[in-house]
Formats: sequence, structure tokens, C-alpha cells
Amino acid sequence: KNEVEQSPQNLTAQEGEFITINCSYSVGISALHWLQQHPGGGIVSLFMLSSGKKKHGRLIATINIQEKHSSLHITASHPRDSAVYICAVRSYFNKFYFGSGTKLNVKP
Amino acid sequence: KAGVTQTPRYLIKTRGQQVTLSCSPISGHRSVSWYQQTPGQGLQFLFEYFSETQRNKGNFPGRFSGRQFSNSRSEMNVSTLELGDSALYLCASSPTGGAGSSYEQYFGPGTRLTVT
Repeated sequence: KNEVEQSPQNLTAQEGEFITINCSYSVGISALHWLQQHPGGGIVSLFMLSSGKKKHGRLIATINIQEKHSSLHITASHPRDSAVYICAVRSYFNKFYFGSGTKLNVKP
Repeated sequence: KAGVTQTPRYLIKTRGQQVTLSCSPISGHRSVSWYQQTPGQGLQFLFEYFSETQRNKGNFPGRFSGRQFSNSRSEMNVSTLELGDSALYLCASSPTGGAGSSYEQYFGPGTRLTVT
């Protein structure tokens, strides 16, 4: 059983659409991270959350600690948002667990 | 500030050999973590170092080891390479202040290791 489950695995959207990626986890966590990975491998940390909601530009991340669930939203999606989005959690015991990633393709 | 750097970027080794990968964190960052990424298993946590001490370790065999130096630079070593060790190895640094804290992670570009 995976400690972190992401959905959907693949997502295709038209430019301008509102996108939601979901992440559920089964362990107690000290923080949850949303990561973005472009082709070629480079990973960028988008958000680190331990409660509530954060917003950077068109990206919004929310977390519900009681329900062990987080969502990443992209408003007004753009082809440059095409990437793999990975949910990662750091457990109370300082172990890192990763989701399998959501491959997003935004078409112009 | 310069970002996280990893050397080498690409490496080809044969089965049975050993390999050492290097990671230089962002200046001032004291924590370095290592990850393995494969198409089949995705991202997996290898280990984390803070102030020259291994703070945490993932579920990898003892062939995988690492260390951190006083300047926070870190190396990881894989001995007796197997075909399944072919992967992208990523390191990330953070300014974390100690056990229990969880600061932002800044990733390096990775080292792509191919074992033939």
C-alpha cells in the first residue's frame, strides 16, 4: 500500500481551464510538499504546507489535516504548466513518501 | 545565490563497479537529502544529512551510503552496482533548523546513472 496516493495519473486540459490534482496520504505528517518536474528531470518545489492554503500566482494549494488530503489547483492553465506534479509528505518520523505523480498536458 | 549543484550530470558504469556522486548545497543550507527516481518506482527517499550526521534513512540496501562534510557538501556512494540502480539521483538542500522542522527543499539537476 502506498502511503501517498495521487489522482489523476494523467490529465489533459485545454489552455485556460481550471485544473485540480488531488493527494491523499495515510501517515501522520509534519509537512506536505507539491513538486513540479519538467521533462529533463529538474524538480522545483512549488509549495510546502502544514495547514490551510497557500497561493503563488495561478497556483493554489490546500491541505486538510483531519482528512489527510491536499489539492493543487491551477487557474487559467497554460501550455507551460505541462509537467509532472508530485505530492510528497514528510512524516512525523522524518521519512519522506512520494506520490506517483500526475502528468499534466495543457494544449494550446 | 547559486543553486544546488550535482556532479557528474551523467555517468555510465558497469555491473559490479562502484560510484560516488557529489552534491553541493545552496550556501548556508545545512541539510542535504538524496533521492532515487526510476520509471518503475518513482521518487524514493535515500537519506538525509544534517550537520554531518545522517538524520534519516530510507529503505535501501547497505550498498547505498552517504556522508556529509563540514562545509555541508555531501556525497553518496553505491557499491557493487546492479542494473536496477540505473536511475536519476537527485539531491536537495534546505536550511532546516533541526529534527522536526521541515523547511523548503531546493533540488539539484540530478545525476543520471546508467548501469550496463
